[in-house]
Amino acid sequence: EDQVTQSPEALRLQEGESSSLNCSYTVSGLRGLFWYRQDPGKGPEFLFTLYSAGEEKEKERLKATLTKKESFLHITAPKPEDSATYLCAVQSYGGSQGNLIFGKGTKLSVKP
Amino acid sequence: DTAVSQTPKYLVTQMGNDKSIKCEQNLGHDTMYWYKQDSKKFLKIMFSYNNKELIINETVPNRFSPKSPDKAHLNLHINSLELGDSAVYFCASSLFGYEQYFGPGTRLTVT
Repeated sequence: EDQVTQSPEALRLQEGESSSLNCSYTVSGLRGLFWYRQDPGKGPEFLFTLYSAGEEKEKERLKATLTKKESFLHITAPKPEDSATYLCAVQSYGGSQGNLIFGKGTKLSVKP
Repeated sequence: DTAVSQTPKYLVTQMGNDKSIKCEQNLGHDTMYWYKQDSKKFLKIMFSYNNKELIINETVPNRFSPKSPDKAHLNLHINSLELGDSAVYFCASSLFGYEQYFGPGTRLTVT
């Protein structure tokens, strides 16, 4: 069964304090790994897709990396506006119609 | 330019009632989805649908039924609402099953 585990559940950082969020996954043939950001009361906002081990993608202060067992979301010099819940999801070749299996998320709080 | 929209934003109703949530996407995507996010914020797929096939998550009660009048719309009908149906429901869409774009969510409260 496809499974996604995110850690930590919650992370508190000071503004400018870089850190990483972890997403461990078990999937029967990875089609893609997705990172989303979710703000309170809103829908998940797409950030990145990673398709193969070794791939990296960047957007502003965020950088996502992928290995065969896990993905990391690195946050460099975070700002208070980066505070949100970050969701990781996997899609397998066996998953019908591209269904995503989500982790429970990491709630990031960045204090000024 | 709203990409994926849902109505209503909030829905409060009593047990036993029947209700619908509407979803529309203007992205030209070929597949639409419904997800349920429970009180612990865990997001779980309920349905996926394109013009060829409906895939139902086996854990979804048959009181829930998606209806698609056309490729841009996927509505969710819920019969005989129960307290446990209270959650936030998200619609999403994708092209060829790649990255999915989510709507703003509908918070359903069953009293």
